[in-house]
Amino acid sequence: QVQLVQSGTEVKKPGASVKVSCKASGFSFTTYYFNWVRQAPGQGLEWMGRISAYNGNTNYAQKFQDRVTMTTDTSTSTAYMELRSLRSDDTAVYYCARSGSGYDNWFDPWGQGTLVTVSS
Amino acid sequence: DIVMTQSPDSLAVSLGERATINCKSSQSVLYSSNNKNDLAWYQQKPGQPPKLLIYWASTRESGVPDRFSGSGSGTDFTLTITTLQAEDVAVYYCQQYYSTPYTFGQGTKLEIK
Repeated sequence: QVQLVQSGTEVKKPGASVKVSCKASGFSFTTYYFNWVRQAPGQGLEWMGRISAYNGNTNYAQKFQDRVTMTTDTSTSTAYMELRSLRSDDTAVYYCARSGSGYDNWFDPWGQGTLVTVSS
Repeated sequence: DIVMTQSPDSLAVSLGERATINCKSSQSVLYSSNNKNDLAWYQQKPGQPPKLLIYWASTRESGVPDRFSGSGSGTDFTLTITTLQAEDVAVYYCQQYYSTPYTFGQGTKLEIK
């Protein structure tokens, strides 16, 4: 079935980097965009950016422009999100979500989420 | 950036009654090329990722119960849940996918009265 499976919980110190993976299955990987959305504890949803699995083109939210890199590996149907210079307020659950490349840009499905805790 | 504002922030409704959640965008999300509104609704239960309920403002995702419906156009949208069930307790988010950065409303927490 169509699904996205993310990597496991991460604990990082301030200033470190984290790289979260999102493995896709059940559909043609290169047909879609992969978005990254984070949710701080008890808070709402925040879009970080997206990457085209077709050509690697990216759109990043301005807030993360200087600290985030999104990549894909078409050989393993996996999308990655790396966030650098971590701060305590980066503590959140990070989700990947698939969206289309035409008019169908809604997010479905979502990965199960990866908790990233930043603490000294 | 398009700002999405939901109302109310929280809502308590009796079982079997109707719940209505509103979402307003700071600019129109009606895409002229296909005459569709680039607006989605998601349901998030505790400890779970969001689940797509509605896209194009009013098209129900496959498998979503027909008690969920979406309406509206341009800048004003509504999610309606008729005949509220216990399993509908969740936080509901609207989202515009008209232009990047894609943005979400702040969420509406739905509880049972």
